[in-house]
Amino acid sequence: DGGITQSPKYLFRKEGQNVTLSCEQNLNHDAMYWYRQDPGQGLRLIYYSQIVNDFQKGDIAEGYSVSREKKESFPLTVTSAQKNPTAFYLCASSPKNSNQPQHFGDGTRLSIL
Amino acid sequence: DQQVKQNSPSLSVQEGRISILNCDYTNSMFDYFLWYKKYPAEGPTFLISISSIKDKNEDGRFTVFLNKSAKHLSLHIVPSQPGDSAVYFCAVSMNYGGSQGNLIFGKGTKLSVKP
Repeated sequence: DGGITQSPKYLFRKEGQNVTLSCEQNLNHDAMYWYRQDPGQGLRLIYYSQIVNDFQKGDIAEGYSVSREKKESFPLTVTSAQKNPTAFYLCASSPKNSNQPQHFGDGTRLSIL
Repeated sequence: DQQVKQNSPSLSVQEGRISILNCDYTNSMFDYFLWYKKYPAEGPTFLISISSIKDKNEDGRFTVFLNKSAKHLSLHIVPSQPGDSAVYFCAVSMNYGGSQGNLIFGKGTKLSVKP
């Protein structure tokens, strides 16, 4: 079945460490997105990519980095510069046509030890 | 400042009755509107959408209404079922500039449907 796979489901990080969250899609979608959700909040856009080897900052990009070397993959690195990294991270993808809904993975919950 | 507001954090409805979830937005340039449903520890699931050229879109028990002059959209669920209990997010986007397809989300409304 086509879909978006995020791994791992739960991730623990020590302070000062970088950590990378995986996102893979087999929907042949051009665009991919990373969001962060905090309790009682909506989803906030971290980074997005509309084509391979190109990506743009979203509303809350500070302390995060991404790469888009393959169409299927859009990993997110949470760096030690992110002061409050504990959150639920969601990856999404969509076709190039803007009037198509984004489809989401099941998320990764990141916690600081 | 929030561009998309869902002013009711929660809503409780009896099974079989209508659920009405509301969403307000600030920018008249938004032209595509979506509703997502989310269960705890899962990703949001797309439910229904509407473009700015329409004022109503139906899909089974779900209907979305768009009032462009009031910058308001609503989701009606009829009849409500216990399995509809989830958090519902309103999202908007605009087909403009380099951010086509980027969604702006409201904070969500938690719907509880009681048997």
